[in-house]
Amino acid sequence: GAGVSQTPSNKVTEKGKYVELRCDPISGHTALYWYRQSLGQGPEFLIYFQGTGAADDSGLPNDRFFAVRPEGSVSTLKIQRTERGDSAMYLCASSPTGGRARRELFFGEGSRLTVL
Amino acid sequence: SQKIEQNSEALNIQEGKTATLTCNYTNYSPAYLQWYRQDPGRGPVFLLLIRENEKEKRKERLKVTFDTTLKQSLFHITASQPADSATYLCALDTGGGNKLTFGTGTQLKVEL
Repeated sequence: GAGVSQTPSNKVTEKGKYVELRCDPISGHTALYWYRQSLGQGPEFLIYFQGTGAADDSGLPNDRFFAVRPEGSVSTLKIQRTERGDSAMYLCASSPTGGRARRELFFGEGSRLTVL
Repeated sequence: SQKIEQNSEALNIQEGKTATLTCNYTNYSPAYLQWYRQDPGRGPVFLLLIRENEKEKRKERLKVTFDTTLKQSLFHITASQPADSATYLCALDTGGGNKLTFGTGTQLKVEL
C-alpha cells in the first residue's frame, strides 16, 4: 500500500492481558515513530527507530511497554499486563529519513486500544 | 517546565473568513516547527514545515509564521471553507530532529 498501515484498527482487551500492535511503514522509510494519543490531547511521543535500532525510547512510560523493528521495516509495539490507563489511540508514523533532515511524518490511521 | 500551548477552545468562524490559530511554546529552542491537520478518528496529516531561520511560509490558502523571539507560530487559513473544519496540531522539533513534540491541538469549525 501507499501509506502507513496499522493493525488492528481496534483492540478491546481485559486488564492484565498482553497486546501487540503492528505498524507497516511506507516502503523505503528508514525512520519509524510510535505515538500515543488520548482523547482531546495531542500525540505523545513514545519511541523512535532509525533502521532496526531504537534511537530514542525516552517516551515509553514504563517497562510494560516495548517495541521492536527487527528487519528495519515492520514494527510491533508490545504492551504487557495492560491497565485501563493504557486505553488510547496508538499512532505509528514513518519518515524517509530521521535526524536533522527535518522531514514531515506520515501517520497511519492508528490502533485504538480499549482496556476494560 | 517545557510547554507547547494551543488554544483549547474551539474556534468557530464563518465561511470565507480567515482563521488564525496560535501555537506558543516555552523552554524549547526548536530548529523547526510543523503544522498537522487531524480529522476525528484519523491520523494527523502534515501541512507545513517552517525552519527557525524562516519568518513565513505559504502553501495555497495556508500561511505559517514563526517568531523565535516571541516563541510563537501563527497558522492562517484564508478563504476558509467548511471542509477546513478539523483539529490543527502544531509540533516542535525537540530532539535534534529525532522527536516531534505536539501541542494539544485547536479544533476549527467553519460554518456556512
